[in-house]
Amino acid sequence: DQQVKQNSPSLSVQEGRISILNCDYTNSMFDYFLWYKKYPAEGPTFLISISSIKDKNEDGRFTVFLNKSAKHLSLHIVPSQPGDSAVYFCAASFGNEKLTFGTGTRLTIIP
Amino acid sequence: GAGVSQSPSNKVTEKGKDVELRCDPISGHTALYWYRQSLGQGLEFLIYFQGNSAPDKSGLPSDRFSAERTGGSVSTLTIQRTQQEDSAVYLCASSSRGNTIYFGEGSWLTVV
Repeated sequence: DQQVKQNSPSLSVQEGRISILNCDYTNSMFDYFLWYKKYPAEGPTFLISISSIKDKNEDGRFTVFLNKSAKHLSLHIVPSQPGDSAVYFCAASFGNEKLTFGTGTRLTIIP
Repeated sequence: GAGVSQSPSNKVTEKGKDVELRCDPISGHTALYWYRQSLGQGLEFLIYFQGNSAPDKSGLPSDRFSAERTGGSVSTLTIQRTQQEDSAVYLCASSSRGNTIYFGEGSWLTVV
């Protein structure tokens, strides 16, 4: 039972345009959501997070949106840069329990 | 160092042998996780330690897998009688009493 789903395994975006990565979840108990970025041969690195009491969190070029009624979150990257090419994982948790990760979306930025 | 440290970074082992993977979490972090990522797959949860509580072992794929955390710090993941399907990168992560976890670089295991 996949509680956190990333339905797009890959996404290609032109440099300078907006990248939108999507994530859906099924467990309404989740109250904290995170995005991680992973380059090949490296561990995932934390990117941005959002608490369920908010619907938007912004950090530079990265913005995460949370729609609790739809159980959906998205990561917007604007403008996209070649260095953003990586695999992006969304993750969710409730309380201080373990993070549950999605299967990842491979983002490719086309120069 | 300041980050999560894992060793070995790479391990090639023969099918049927046992392997041990080590994780040194960030100092002061009470929570420690093991995940693995097989080729083309997502991050698969294996086990979670939180302070002195009983670990959450719900993600361990079989009884060939075990993990311990000594003194609330260093953790060892042991895989007995390795199989080819165990080939993956094994990722350790730690966190303080919060929700953002920080990953190590991973231990790349290849079973031949």
